[in-house]
Amino acid sequence: QKEVEQDPGPLSVPEGAIVSLNCTYSNSAFQYFMWYRQYSRKGPELLMYTYSSGNKEDGRFTAQVDKSSKYISLFIRDSQPSDSATYLCAMSEGGYNKLIFGAGTRLAVHP
Amino acid sequence: GAGVSQTPSNKVTEKGKYVELRCDPISGHTALYWYRQSLGQGPEFLIYFQGTGAADDSGLPNDRFFAVRPEGSVSTLKIQRTERGDSAVYLCASSVDSYTGELFFGEGSRLTVL
Repeated sequence: QKEVEQDPGPLSVPEGAIVSLNCTYSNSAFQYFMWYRQYSRKGPELLMYTYSSGNKEDGRFTAQVDKSSKYISLFIRDSQPSDSATYLCAMSEGGYNKLIFGAGTRLAVHP
Repeated sequence: GAGVSQTPSNKVTEKGKYVELRCDPISGHTALYWYRQSLGQGPEFLIYFQGTGAADDSGLPNDRFFAVRPEGSVSTLKIQRTERGDSAVYLCASSVDSYTGELFFGEGSRLTVL
């Protein structure tokens, strides 16, 4: 069993929809939780960063961490075609120095 | 440069050959990371440097893989006796420091071993 599980999709939604992406994990020592966006043939770029449990909001994006369930989510409101990409969850025990990534979920937002 | 630069962007080699992949981090970033991303998978940690020293090389799959960062800036990932299973995108990232700094990734070096 992988340390971090993420449904690879693909997920196809109409423009304006609310998108929900999630990951589960098995290592209770994870304290740092991140969401990265990766466009085709590009490197991942950081979207959201959360320490421990709780919610964090940034514009159209909301990240949630539930450590009791070992479950993290990313919500995208008012999705746009430019949001079409692969979304990767990542987590670590201590800071950024050794991230464990999920497999990524491919999202397509169609006009 | 403005971002993390990786060369070559594409490398095709034959099984058994030696390969070097280069990473030029963002100026002033002390931490540098190598990840490997196979098709349809997330990046997999290989090694990270804080300054010139390898702080954690636990992700290197075997002794055919080696990385250096002699002057604390540019890093080279070296793969000896390449195998078809080494085919992947090799991503480099850098950050201000290894604990609090956000990782900035390059576009990767796509390695194909025939």
